[in-house]
Amino acid sequence: GAVVSQHPSWVICKSGTSVKIECRSLDFQATTMFWYRQFPKQSLMLMATSNEGSKATYEQGVEKDKFLINHASLTLSTLTVTSAHPEDSSFYICSARASGTSYNEQFFGPGTRLTVL
Amino acid sequence: QKEVEQDPGPLSVPEGAIVSLNCTYSNSAFQYFMWYRQYSRKGPELLMYTYSSGNKEDGRFTAQVDKSSKYISLFIRDSQPSDSATYLCAMTHSGYALNFGKGTSLLVTP
Repeated sequence: GAVVSQHPSWVICKSGTSVKIECRSLDFQATTMFWYRQFPKQSLMLMATSNEGSKATYEQGVEKDKFLINHASLTLSTLTVTSAHPEDSSFYICSARASGTSYNEQFFGPGTRLTVL
Repeated sequence: QKEVEQDPGPLSVPEGAIVSLNCTYSNSAFQYFMWYRQYSRKGPELLMYTYSSGNKEDGRFTAQVDKSSKYISLFIRDSQPSDSATYLCAMTHSGYALNFGKGTSLLVTP
């Protein structure tokens, strides 16, 4: 149980285009989903926290107009990288926290590798 | 100062060795402590979860939390080549997002 999927797993795009990444909780409902970015040999950096049905909360330094997050249902959150540039190339990982849990376990997706040419 | 400090390694040990991985932290409000394993180009996988201080054992893995010293450890007994991965510590206080260490790269050689 507690499986989180991401799609696509790998995407290459041209500079200036937009890319949408999906994060789904497959066998549980997630009221809260998190989006992280990870550069090579670096830790996961939290970008934003999204709660179902409300606006995402972005971490300091993360441009909300560039990284659009939508959490329209209890099983789906999307991250759209708008007007992507080469410096946006990174590994994007989502995680989901199950509804009603008494602690803070997060289940991670397999990640999406974005390469912007 | 980062809230969570973790030596990135790399750490190389022979098969069968006992591995000790550690993290220190500065925020005394942290109550939930986790260890994740991450293989290359994959998402993190939860290994151990501990609430507050104490020890927890699961098979070859033992997690220890010393809140008085703000220090947590993960021990791996009888290490195997398949344990080669990056190990990330993470911690939080109730209702907040996880704070991750940088991760320690572990290589277990046959």
